[in-house]
Amino acid sequence: DVKVTQSSRYLVKRTGEKVFLECVQDMDHENMFWYRQDPGLGLRLIYFSYDVKMKEKGDIPEGYSVSREKKERFSLILESASTNQTSMYLCASKIASTEAFFGQGTRLTVV
Amino acid sequence: QKEVEQDPGPLSVPEGAIVSLNCTYSNSAFQYFMWYRQYSRKGPELLMYTYSSGNKEDGRFTAQVDKSSKYISLFIRDSQPSDSATYLCAMREPDSNYQLIWGAGTKLIIKP
Repeated sequence: DVKVTQSSRYLVKRTGEKVFLECVQDMDHENMFWYRQDPGLGLRLIYFSYDVKMKEKGDIPEGYSVSREKKERFSLILESASTNQTSMYLCASKIASTEAFFGQGTRLTVV
Repeated sequence: QKEVEQDPGPLSVPEGAIVSLNCTYSNSAFQYFMWYRQYSRKGPELLMYTYSSGNKEDGRFTAQVDKSSKYISLFIRDSQPSDSATYLCAMREPDSNYQLIWGAGTKLIIKP
């Protein structure tokens, strides 16, 4: 089975902190994604990466950056956390011919 | 108007009932349609995947696509309390391996 692992299930951070969310997949997938999920809004794509060191902006990249130094790992960075970034963050991975496999999610609260 | 519309619910039905979950969309270029199931405090998992129009059946689940009406459905027969979850539809164009367009999700509650 594909396994996508997010480093934390729950995080509480203070406004202005730099926050790192880590995601690791074990199936050698080229493509990795970061989404945020908010009630009534569904999943919104923040960034995705189709190869090591490659990244593309999604629909809501403002306030976020990403890093992909190794194929299996994709990190989401909140440069200066704000309360409106309180959300559920979901990492996913896939290869071109399959659909996305998700991690268990990180519920981030910014206070 | 959103590209994909999905009623957020909650939809509450008794155990054993047939459940119908639906999404409408506006982009006629969508060709791949997916249903994901998300249990509380978990990530979504792929439930059904269909290409273009028609029906696909997997056990108690049937996915139906009507491209002429831009309407997709997920039917659950003999619903069980373990089916209680949020169901998200997603879709994409043929050349877009990266960009899935998501519905907001419908919360389903199956009462014992």
